[in-house]
Amino acid sequence: DQQVKQNSPSLSVQEGRISILNCDYTNSMFDYFLWYKKYPAEGPTFLISISSIKDKNEDGRFTVFLNKSAKHLSLHIVPSQPGDSAVYFCAASATFSGGYNKLIFGAGTRLAVHP
Amino acid sequence: KAGVTQTPRYLIKTRGQQVTLSCSPISGHRSVSWYQQTPGQGLQFLFEYFSETQRNKGNFPGRFSGRQFSNSRSEMNVSTLELGDSALYLCASSRPGTGTNSPLHFGNGTRLTVT
Repeated sequence: DQQVKQNSPSLSVQEGRISILNCDYTNSMFDYFLWYKKYPAEGPTFLISISSIKDKNEDGRFTVFLNKSAKHLSLHIVPSQPGDSAVYFCAASATFSGGYNKLIFGAGTRLAVHP
Repeated sequence: KAGVTQTPRYLIKTRGQQVTLSCSPISGHRSVSWYQQTPGQGLQFLFEYFSETQRNKGNFPGRFSGRQFSNSRSEMNVSTLELGDSALYLCASSRPGTGTNSPLHFGNGTRLTVT
């Protein structure tokens, strides 16, 4: 049973345009959500997070939106750059039932930003 | 500040053997978590240690075990290796557990191949 789903295995975007990566979850106990970026042969790198008490969090070119009623979150990258090409993982945790460091990951979306 | 360090980077073992993987967290981080990444299952939580105690455990068989030392360094052991244990094993650390969420910072992983 996949509790965190990233339904798009890949996404191709032109440099300078917006990249939108989507993530759905099923467990209503999740209260903390994160996005990680992963290059080949490296570990995941933390990008941005959002608590369930918020619906938006921004950090430079990266913005995460959370829609709790739809159990959906998205990561917007504006403008997209070739260096953003990587696999993006959505992750969630349930602070009071699963533990803050027990992250449930989605399968990942491979983003390709082309010139 | 040095990141999470995992050794060795690559390991080849035979079925039935056992293996020990090592992780040094970021200085000052007291929580260490382990994840398994496989192409078919994505990133899956193994266990988390804090102050030398296992605080959380995922759904893996008892062949997978770990420990944490007083300097927060952690080791993970897999006994009686099976072919399906071939994976990238990722260690992650986070700042002192205060009950609030903080992002996990991952190492580059140990690639284990079981033949």
